[in-house]
Order: sequence, then structure tokens, then C-alpha cells
Amino acid sequence: DQQVKQNSPSLSVQEGRISILNCDYTNSMFDYFLWYKKYPAEGPTFLISISSIKDKNEDGRFTVFLNKSAKHLSLHIVPSQPGDSAVYFCAAGTYGGATNKLIFGTGTLLAVQP
Amino acid sequence: DAGITQSPRHKVTETGTPVTLRCHQTENHRYMYWYRQDPGHGLRLIHYSYGVKDTDKGEVSDGYSVSRSKTEDFLLTLESATSSQTSVYFCAIGPRVGGNNSPLHFGNGTRLTVT
Repeated sequence: DQQVKQNSPSLSVQEGRISILNCDYTNSMFDYFLWYKKYPAEGPTFLISISSIKDKNEDGRFTVFLNKSAKHLSLHIVPSQPGDSAVYFCAAGTYGGATNKLIFGTGTLLAVQP
Repeated sequence: DAGITQSPRHKVTETGTPVTLRCHQTENHRYMYWYRQDPGHGLRLIHYSYGVKDTDKGEVSDGYSVSRSKTEDFLLTLESATSSQTSVYFCAIGPRVGGNNSPLHFGNGTRLTVT
């Protein structure tokens, strides 16, 4: 039973345009959400996070939106650059929870075309 | 890379043999995790540790065991490797979940092939 879902395995966008990556979750106890980026042959690296008390968090070209009622979050990258081409994982956890673990989605491969 | 070293980086082994993967951290973080990455499944938690000699199971723990005898080392053991355990294994470390910083930092992975 996948608690965190990324329904788009891949996404292709043109350089300079907006990339929108989506993520859905089923566990209403999750209150902390993150996006990780992964290049081939490397470990995932943290990109941006958001807690459930917010509905938006920005960091440069990256913005994460959270819709708690829909149990949905999205990552916007504007403008997209070829170096953004990677696999993006969303993850969810419980702030201060006893188990202190993150559940990851299946990932979306983003290709930014020059 | 946040002071995490995984060894070996690559390993090929035969079905039925025992295999141990090592994760070493220099950050003195309390929490350590083992994930596996497979196509179509993303990153799945195998086991994690919340302190020396304190471990718990994740989503896909069958066929795996772990040990943490000191803060800096977290070992993942496949008692009898099977082909279904062919995967890329990632170790992660972190403080408590939450806050503005990433709770987890990942190593560069171990690619394990079971033939």
C-alpha cells in the first residue's frame, strides 16, 4: 500500500519553462513533506521542505505547494534549466513523531530540454 | 556528502551467500536508515536505528537484519541473498524529523547484484 504516490514516472519540459511535479499521500498523520533530487550514481539530495502549517514554501527557483484537504503537494521549478534534469522524489513524515522516518514516493524523472 | 560513507560501492554475489553492507557516519547523528531503490518502487525503508543497539523494521524488512554497535556504524546484513535483493542500497542519517533543514542526508549508495 503506497502511502506516498507520484503518478507521473517522467516529465519533459523545455528550458526556461515551468516544471510541475506532483505528489499525493494517503496518511493524514503526515505533517512534514520534502522533495529530494537524485542524479545517476549519487544519493538523493534534499531540495525543499514544507510543514503542514504552511501551504507554500519558496527557495529560489523552487516552490512547494501543499493542499492538505486534497492530500496533494507539488513542486514548481521556474525557470527550468538543463541541470535540473534528475529524478525527483517526494517524501512525507510526521514532525516529532516517535518513529522519525520518511516514506518516499516512486519518483519522477524530469528531463529539461535545451 | 554530509559525512556518510557506504562500503562497498559495488558488489556481485551469488544466491544463498551472506552479504553485509556498511554505513559509516562522522556527523554523530542519532538516527540512521537503510533504504533500497528499485524501478517503479522508489525508495523503500528496510530498517532504521534510533540509537546504539536500538533498531526497528521498515516497509521491506524481510530477509534483512541490521546492527548498530556504535553511533557511527550501521550494518545491513542479507543472511542468504536472493535475486530479489538485487538493488541499490542507500544509507541515510539525520536528527529528528522536522525543522527547516533536511532531516535525512544520504550516502552515495551500494549497488548489489545477486546472481
